[in-house]
Amino acid sequence: NAGVTQTPKFRILKIGQSMTLQCAQDMNHNYMYWYRQDPGMGLKLIYYSVGAGITDKGEVPNGYNVSRSTTEDFPLRLELAAPSQTSVYFCASSYRASGNRETQYFGPGTRLLVL
Amino acid sequence: DAKTTQPNSMESNEEEPVHLPCNHSTISGTDYIHWYRQLPSQGPEYVIHGLTSNVNNRMASLAIAEDRKSSTLILHRATLRDAAVYYCILPSGNTPLVFGKGTRLSVIA
Repeated sequence: NAGVTQTPKFRILKIGQSMTLQCAQDMNHNYMYWYRQDPGMGLKLIYYSVGAGITDKGEVPNGYNVSRSTTEDFPLRLELAAPSQTSVYFCASSYRASGNRETQYFGPGTRLLVL
Repeated sequence: DAKTTQPNSMESNEEEPVHLPCNHSTISGTDYIHWYRQLPSQGPEYVIHGLTSNVNNRMASLAIAEDRKSSTLILHRATLRDAAVYYCILPSGNTPLVFGKGTRLSVIA
């Protein structure tokens, strides 16, 4: 299994440009997540999905959009890039049946610089 | 998630044991205690989790206080590769994991 994969690894955007961060998992996990991590800080949840066709906002959703058309893929869209979106973005997935014992698996991250 | 409190940073000598504490005085009876770590320039990775009894795996041990208001992650022999930020997390219900600032562990050769 490849686990959770993210592309690209690094990207420079100009203010106002748009882009899509790709995330895919091959573990048949129902839950998927997007986090961002600013330098020296903890991870903040942007959006998450409990299954195909279902998404929900996290702590910092403004400026982002997501979709979940398949179990495997969970892309994150930035429509109008702003310098405040300079960060490292991590995608994660987990299998949750019930309770709170499941493990989250993280991708390697996408480093985004908005100038 | 129930609130957790961890020291900002700790330091250890290589090949010595490390005890990373976490306080979670508001833990509920059904909350599991999870530990993740984040190596430099990588995404977080799962380390261990437990409910009431102490737990061991190939990476670490988790010691849980009898009243469950605190726990300790134990690395039996720290290596340079264990230098990372360690997060103690108590997931609740159906909400995603909430990562605080964790404890930054430095390992000295």
